[in-house]
Amino acid sequence: EVQLVESGGGLVKPGGSLRLSCAASGFTFSSYSMNWVRQAPGKGLEWVSSISSSSSYIYYADSVKGRFTISRDNAKNSLYLQMNSLRAEDTAVYYCAREGSGSHPPTGDWGQGTLVTVSS
Amino acid sequence: DIQMTQSPSTLSASVGDRVTITCRASQSISSWLAWYQQKPGKAPKLLIYKASSLESGVPSRFSGSGSGTEFTLTISSLQPDDFATYYCQQYNSYRITFGQGTRLEIK
Repeated sequence: EVQLVESGGGLVKPGGSLRLSCAASGFTFSSYSMNWVRQAPGKGLEWVSSISSSSSYIYYADSVKGRFTISRDNAKNSLYLQMNSLRAEDTAVYYCAREGSGSHPPTGDWGQGTLVTVSS
Repeated sequence: DIQMTQSPSTLSASVGDRVTITCRASQSISSWLAWYQQKPGKAPKLLIYKASSLESGVPSRFSGSGSGTEFTLTISSLQPDDFATYYCQQYNSYRITFGQGTRLEIK
């Protein structure tokens, strides 16, 4: 069974930094691209970033480019999101999501999410 | 980025009703469209992928159709567990985008 468990969320002041982690199990982590998707309170879903299986391809939404860095450690079955220069509008639940197989979407399986609150 | 527009934003319906949600893409995405169901406090759950393929374990009352820029999600006979928010998602581009969501509420 695919399991994705996010951690690292919390309360941070504007301009601060936070590092999110996603621990993966139940599948061969090194074979799949991974994504971060966020959801502001009461709002819709917004793709944040994606990383290919070997970290060769990395993409960011314009809203986070230059401030967030996605990375992975295949030996530790873990995905990360380093978030710097945080703003109030970055407040959201952050989900990690695994690429699906074949014609499935890039976000076929999701973790339960971790809440990031940016406030003074 | 490809913009996804869902309609309606809110839909009131009763158990047993047949309901349809529409999703329109700002440019052709072929059939690279997925539908998700989300309940409060939970992660989204994949229902439909590649426009019309039913995800394993999803009840057959859910169906999807369309290609190019126009897509629909149909629930043939609403069940109490179906009242939730539904999102479409395009994955034609690596910069995936979601519709704004349709909240399905009990009439």
